[in-house]
Amino acid sequence: AQSVTQLGSHVSVSEGALVLLRCNYSSSVPPYLFWYVQYPNQGLQLLLKYTSAATLVKGINGFEAEFKKSETSFHLTKPSAHMSDAAEYFCAVSRSGQGGKLIFGQGTELSVKP
Amino acid sequence: EAGVTQFPSHSVIEKGQTVTLRCDPISGHDNLYWYRRVMGKEIKFLLHFVKESKQDESGMPNNRFLAERTGGTYSTLKVQPAELEDSGVYFCASSQEWSKEINTEAFFGQGTRLTVV
Repeated sequence: AQSVTQLGSHVSVSEGALVLLRCNYSSSVPPYLFWYVQYPNQGLQLLLKYTSAATLVKGINGFEAEFKKSETSFHLTKPSAHMSDAAEYFCAVSRSGQGGKLIFGQGTELSVKP
Repeated sequence: EAGVTQFPSHSVIEKGQTVTLRCDPISGHDNLYWYRRVMGKEIKFLLHFVKESKQDESGMPNNRFLAERTGGTYSTLKVQPAELEDSGVYFCASSQEWSKEINTEAFFGQGTRLTVV
């Protein structure tokens, strides 16, 4: 069975500071991993995805994530937070052959202080 | 190109009533998914259509929920009769290909917020 755990339901950073959102997964097979973002009153938007190619994945809006098999982690980072990054972020896992059937973490609300 | 569209954006109904949610996927996308997020919980998979066929409905909570996808285009999710615990945000997503080798991106709609009172 697969599962995803996001550490911290709320994270607050100052503008310009490092953003680190944590995600750990459990999977008995090689996983496909995703980060989605939901801005207020909008749908989920894909930030980046890992599909067994490079372990360091770059996404949109300056975000990146590193797949670490030994730690079963896929943490999301951004070197310098911007006010527009305030949103809810979701880590998700799926299996090859499962198409868009995603298993989501609980979500992390990111606040950015001026 | 239009994205995934969901109607209505909000719905407030009384316990015992019927509600129908609609999802229009991106044109040409064979795969359509329904998800639900109950307040305070994670987003959970409900079911998956490939064209007009139900590929996987393992996440449907109970038989009060009925999903259809007429002609492989738009999809509806009916809740009848609605209960208080059905409140939440219902998301629809679509993707183009379904292959054992390729895990293509699923595009999400903005969701329908359902409140049962």
